[in-house]
Amino acid sequence: NAGVTQTPKFQVLKTGQSMTLQCAQDMNHNSMYWYRQDPGMGLRLIYYSASEGTTDKGEVPNGYNVSRLNKREFSLRLESAAPSQTSVYFCASRPRQGVKDQPQHFGDGTRLSIL
Amino acid sequence: GESVGLHLPTLSVQEGDNSIINCAYSNSASDYFIWYKQESGKGPQFIIDIRSNMDKRQGQRVTVLLNKTVKHLSLQIAATQPGDSAVYFCAESPGGTSYGKLTFGQGTILTVHP
Repeated sequence: NAGVTQTPKFQVLKTGQSMTLQCAQDMNHNSMYWYRQDPGMGLRLIYYSASEGTTDKGEVPNGYNVSRLNKREFSLRLESAAPSQTSVYFCASRPRQGVKDQPQHFGDGTRLSIL
Repeated sequence: GESVGLHLPTLSVQEGDNSIINCAYSNSASDYFIWYKQESGKGPQFIIDIRSNMDKRQGQRVTVLLNKTVKHLSLQIAATQPGDSAVYFCAESPGGTSYGKLTFGQGTILTVHP
């Protein structure tokens, strides 16, 4: 049971390039999330998908787009990468929509550097 | 919310000691709280959670205390081991239709010396 799988693990981009970060979970979870983590800081929510077919903005959505491809997969796209988007990106999932008290399960992150 | 910056709070303990990691949360409407452990190069790993109708919850070697009056959360680790060395984050979730969205604190670095 792999849990939450993120690809790639590392990526270097040039300013202005585009990139899609992939996330898949095999736990049959309904809700999925994308966070970024900058040095010395906690995770900040970029976008989330409460259930298949829905997506919503989080705290820091500017410069990103997402696609909930199916129940398993939730991708994050940078259309025109900027150095300020250099960060570690984490995907997470959570069992059921509308049930509040359940922890999120995280992947091991994608380390993205933009030059 | 908590202040953010490049310098995380740190806690250094000897192996076998008990550790206490503190967290101040910001939203008085938050009703669900989680502690995560993050090791270098890994994603956050769930440790323990607590609902706002409780003030204490125990797991294996860990205890979480919640004081809603002062909006304070703590994680106690008993008989701390070198494998407990990591960054620890508290996270809060607001009530209502929040779809499980979490707000994270900045984290505390725990170092356990053998």
